[in-house]
Amino acid sequence: DGGITQSPKYLFRKEGQNVTLSCEQNLNHDAMYWYRQDPGQGLRLIYYSQIVNDFQKGDIAEGYSVSREKKESFPLTVTSAQKNPTAFYLCASSRGSGRYNEQFFGPGTRLTVL
Amino acid sequence: DQQVKQNSPSLSVQEGRISILNCDYTNSMFDYFLWYKKYPAEGPTFLISISSIKDKNEDGRFTVFLNKSAKHLSLHIVPSQPGDSAVYFCAASVAQKLVFGQGTRLTINP
Repeated sequence: DGGITQSPKYLFRKEGQNVTLSCEQNLNHDAMYWYRQDPGQGLRLIYYSQIVNDFQKGDIAEGYSVSREKKESFPLTVTSAQKNPTAFYLCASSRGSGRYNEQFFGPGTRLTVL
Repeated sequence: DQQVKQNSPSLSVQEGRISILNCDYTNSMFDYFLWYKKYPAEGPTFLISISSIKDKNEDGRFTVFLNKSAKHLSLHIVPSQPGDSAVYFCAASVAQKLVFGQGTRLTINP
């Protein structure tokens, strides 16, 4: 089955530590995205990548970093510089070309900073 | 600056009746609009979309209407079923990015 996987489902981290969230897709999509969802809010874009070895900042990139070394993978690192890292993180992918931009989402990772 | 707004945080509808979820936007450059459905602790799933050159798109029980002059779109679900209870997000597309509204929690009552 084609889809997007995120691991782990739940993640706990001590304050001051960096942590990396995994996102893998086997849909052969060019574009990949990271969002953050907080209670009562919509999805906010952290970073996105339209092609391997290239990525752009979204609306709330401060305190996060990404890499895109392979088409299938787009890991997100939450650094100690992120002031409020506790949130639900969602990864998505899309074909990325043309005007149509339906994005497919993974199941999400809930990060809790202790 | 909230470019996509869903002004109703929640909506309660009786089973079998019509559910209408609304969304307003401010950016006239948006060229594609989508609705997603989300259950707790899961990723959103795509429901239906509409291009800015159309004013209506229908898929089974789901219909999306777009009023460009008012910068308003709506999602109609008829008849509403208990499984439709979820949070619904509208999203607008520009330059390969999606901008999401805050979501509306829909509850279908038996």
